[in-house]
Amino acid sequence: DAGITQSPRHKVTETGTPVTLRCHQTENHRYMYWYRQDPGHGLRLIHYSYGVKDTDKGEVSDGYSVSRSKTEDFLLTLESATSSQTSVYFCAIRGRVNEKLFFGSGTQLSVL
Amino acid sequence: GQNIDQPTEMTATEGAIVQINCTYQTSGFNGLFWYQQHAGEAPTFLSYNVLDGLEEKGRFSSFLSRSKGYSYLLLKELQMKDSASYLCAVSATTSGTYKYIFGTGTRLKVLA
Repeated sequence: DAGITQSPRHKVTETGTPVTLRCHQTENHRYMYWYRQDPGHGLRLIHYSYGVKDTDKGEVSDGYSVSRSKTEDFLLTLESATSSQTSVYFCAIRGRVNEKLFFGSGTQLSVL
Repeated sequence: GQNIDQPTEMTATEGAIVQINCTYQTSGFNGLFWYQQHAGEAPTFLSYNVLDGLEEKGRFSSFLSRSKGYSYLLLKELQMKDSASYLCAVSATTSGTYKYIFGTGTRLKVLA
């Protein structure tokens, strides 16, 4: 599993509330990614990070912000959650062999 | 921009061979990946192609033609446990950083 964990695994929240999802890795990988997965859309890149304090937007970044203050943690924040952000969120890290991605177990987020 | 196309759904019989196609358009191409994802689980790595040709790994093979923007995943001796979604993904370099873009996935049903 490349030492990657996501928390929480499940969350239910109300529209308009802030939500933060955490991705933690133990193997000092440089690149970390946040994706959301929805039926009919597949995995879509939200934001990614290529080092401490170095982040960039993906294809669906509106309504999301990220922070990476230390190598092991990559946080995804929904400043004011909306029902359209109900989704499964996956964190991934880029491995050193074949550059493949390793995924966390995912977070099921429901915004009511 | 970047675009990846793959069929939405395929059905095959246990013991048969199935080929899942993927076409892509991207700049800064670095490699093509195939992932398997069972329902309710995270994607797991299957194969990686960076050069043209066929890569074989047990019952699974993947082919890449960079000039045609085309790849396929070949699954032989299908088993019931192969029922899953298969995700085609492209790694691309943008401004010196690495992004991974996924297709919407092909849901494979293996029938007895």
